[in-house]
Amino acid sequence: ETGVTQTPRHLVMGMTNKKSLKCEQHLGHNAMYWYKQSAKKPLELMFVYNFKEQTENNSVPSRFSPECPNSSHLFLHLHTLQPEDSALYLCASSEASSSPLHFGNGTRLTVT
Amino acid sequence: GDSVTQMEGPVTLSEEAFLTINCTYTATGYPSLFWYVQYPGEGLQLLLKATKADDKGSNKGFEATYRKETTSFHLEKGSVQVSDSAVYFCALSAKAGTALIFGKGTTLSVSS
Repeated sequence: ETGVTQTPRHLVMGMTNKKSLKCEQHLGHNAMYWYKQSAKKPLELMFVYNFKEQTENNSVPSRFSPECPNSSHLFLHLHTLQPEDSALYLCASSEASSSPLHFGNGTRLTVT
Repeated sequence: GDSVTQMEGPVTLSEEAFLTINCTYTATGYPSLFWYVQYPGEGLQLLLKATKADDKGSNKGFEATYRKETTSFHLEKGSVQVSDSAVYFCALSAKAGTALIFGKGTTLSVSS
């Protein structure tokens, strides 16, 4: 149990579908993150939220839309994705934005 | 900009062998340095950290020393086990308020 829970663990979706990834943390942290992990590429930071406010968006395409309704929950809404978006999507949280990260186990996304 | 460079993998060792995974960094100021480990099917976990020059982080038999003169934070373990097989990520936190920057990861495979 990492304290950061991601659902679903696996997701297969077509390019015209709309789906959402969910992340929940029970650690009392104030910062939450979405990372994308693709084979043979560095971990890519997508979004950062501090105290529910988005503080970083690393040039992520608009087909990825984050939502942070409170400091314990983070969503990643997906629509009209491309096959190259297939990857492991990792959620993380931390006490502050430069503190050590606590990761969830990720959602393995396959876009067909 | 700030960056982390890790040795290319995979690293393949026999049980009880000595392990070194090299990590060097580029950053302005005095970053904090981290090693994370990712076991198959899981998210990343913090393995150890060091926050200032000459600090040594250690955990589960792994060690890394923050060397400012060589801008390095090499990971070592004296005797690896099969259960250490995983992907290891070096990371830095350049300044307060910014998210961690990760290296590409190094895959370690230990055989009995």
